[in-house]
Amino acid sequence: GAVVSQHPSRVICKSGTSVKIECRSLDFQATTMFWYRQFPKKSLMLMATSNEGSKATYEQGVEKDKFLINHASLTLSTLTVTSAHPEDSSFYICAVASSGNTIYFGEGSWLTVV
Amino acid sequence: EDKVVQSPLSLVVHEGDTVTLNCSYEVTNFRSLLWYKQEKKAPTFLFMLTSSGIEKKSGRLSSILDKKELSSILNITATQTGDSAIYLCAVNPYGQNFVFGPGTRLSVLP
Repeated sequence: GAVVSQHPSRVICKSGTSVKIECRSLDFQATTMFWYRQFPKKSLMLMATSNEGSKATYEQGVEKDKFLINHASLTLSTLTVTSAHPEDSSFYICAVASSGNTIYFGEGSWLTVV
Repeated sequence: EDKVVQSPLSLVVHEGDTVTLNCSYEVTNFRSLLWYKQEKKAPTFLFMLTSSGIEKKSGRLSSILDKKELSSILNITATQTGDSAIYLCAVNPYGQNFVFGPGTRLSVLP
């Protein structure tokens, strides 16, 4: 399966600052990557689909100006949480859909906004 | 609206027990169903099922799809404490994004 690396695994930031999370597909050229958010004891919530070389497609209710997604190459997508607030604290996970129609996840990033 | 339901939502067993986790779905243009195991980090892939009645097996874990009943089960035999995790079921419809169920939280006690 695809190997997906996500960084950082944990980050603490001050309220009002921005945080960038990177997602790299190490062995697979991913034209599409997905960004999920997971609250404690809840399932995965798709935030957006990141498309290489074009704008991301955001799910209903997800603020595109707050969660900036850039997919500049076939191996890298980034999620920037802008002007972070405590309610943005969550587990963010990226994923790649392989040619075999299976999703492979990165290790996830715990964001804590204080 | 596409939907994936899992049951039970949580389950506590003792080591050595056998468990069966259920997943049912309502989606248009079904392509495949996937099972994942999530411990403290992101989910790891277990199985992908596309055809009814064909069992997929990996060690003590096995899974089967019933397209007539729109469901799948994940069996774990001789459970161990290391099996404690959330088990997620996801469905991949054609032309749409994956739809995840709420997960079953399995706790295996020594």
